[in-house]
Amino acid sequence: QITLKESGPTLVKPTQTLTLTCTFSGFSLSTSGVSVDWIRQPPGKALEWLALIYWDDDKRYSPSLKSSLTITKDTSKNQVVLTMTNMDPVDTATYYCAHREYHRGDHRYNWFDPWGQGTLVTVSS
Amino acid sequence: DIQMTQSPSSLSASVGDRVTITCRASQSISSYLNWYQQKPGEAPKFLIHGASSLQTGVPSRFSGSGSGTDFTLTINGLQPEDFAIYYCQQSYSTPLTFGGGTKVEIK
Repeated sequence: QITLKESGPTLVKPTQTLTLTCTFSGFSLSTSGVSVDWIRQPPGKALEWLALIYWDDDKRYSPSLKSSLTITKDTSKNQVVLTMTNMDPVDTATYYCAHREYHRGDHRYNWFDPWGQGTLVTVSS
Repeated sequence: DIQMTQSPSSLSASVGDRVTITCRASQSISSYLNWYQQKPGEAPKFLIHGASSLQTGVPSRFSGSGSGTDFTLTINGLQPEDFAIYYCQQSYSTPLTFGGGTKVEIK
């Protein structure tokens, strides 16, 4: 059974750096075709994909946030860390991490399943 | 970036109704389209992959169709537990993108 859980601060001040950790079990991030992604959701709004890290350490970022995001993994600890610099009140959201992997040998045939429970981060002074 | 547009943004329906939600991609994504269901205070739940394949355990009243740029999610015989927000998501290319969501409310 795959599980993921996000952890980190619930409140950050504007301009601070946010560091979130996704701790997972039930799969290995060294297995070919696997990634862990971060997605966020402002209160009452839609889902927004932020970043991913693949089993081979390839990383992708949302173009609109690329300059402020860094994603890393620690395979031995089964953890993925997302840092976001220069936080702003508009970054107030629930942040989710999710498991994703290729299916049928097709790198486009993939989906987010399962998701972590999410962690609400509020940006306020 | 591939933009995903869902319609309607919300709808009211009664238990037993048939509900159809539309998702349109800004360019062809073949069948690389997934659907999720989200209830208040919960993480999204994965429902459908490849535009039309139900995830294991998802009730058969849910169905998906479409390819290219136009997709639909249909719920045949809406049940009380189906009142939620539904999101489509393309996996064709990064950045991965979601639709704006469709809220299914009780009439």
